[in-house]
Amino acid sequence: DQQVKQNSPSLSVQEGRISILNCDYTNSMFDYFLWYKKYPAEGPTFLISISSIKDKNEDGRFTVFLNKSAKHLSLHIVPSQPGDSAVYFCAATDSWGKLQFGAGTQVVVTP
Amino acid sequence: SAVISQKPSRDICQRGTSLTIQCQVDSQVTMMFWYRQQPGQSLTLIATANQGSEATYESGFVIDKFPISRPNLTFSTLTVSNMSPEDSSIYLCSGGQTHLGRGYTFGSGTRLTVV
Repeated sequence: DQQVKQNSPSLSVQEGRISILNCDYTNSMFDYFLWYKKYPAEGPTFLISISSIKDKNEDGRFTVFLNKSAKHLSLHIVPSQPGDSAVYFCAATDSWGKLQFGAGTQVVVTP
Repeated sequence: SAVISQKPSRDICQRGTSLTIQCQVDSQVTMMFWYRQQPGQSLTLIATANQGSEATYESGFVIDKFPISRPNLTFSTLTVSNMSPEDSSIYLCSGGQTHLGRGYTFGSGTRLTVV
């Protein structure tokens, strides 16, 4: 069964505005939560992560928020840029160090 | 972080044949994994490649179908055996150290089409 879920397959946002991507999970034993970005014909690239003991992590334009009680995390991109157009995967790691991925959200940033 | 070179980048194969995919890492890494991404789907973990021993397979994946080798800490191969059209997918390797806050690096993927 899918333990990491991204329920929005796509998101369209105007350049300069905020992009908010959401992710839900079911396994309370996950250690870390990560976001990956993927361009066509390339492998996913690591974007940002958050430990399960934190509730926020920020890196430049990217901020990840974790709500453990709701088993929910979100990625905020501010401001959105055309180069941010890609598929974004939410992922989580278990105690064995294995990554489990959500289905991905296709982000399109329009001028 | 490590850089992973994966080849081939794509291939078209006849059903019933086998294809071996290679991943070379530019530094020693503790962990290496193999994933499959079927069309329109997420990345599904096939197995953890263990250095010098048999790989650890996830539910639904077996060694006879997806034999994996990892002779050292910088190299691994995945073979897709006795292929059928249902094996048409993107196959990706991934690797890194065990501090997961830094994430793992991925190869660029192998797009396999079985005809």
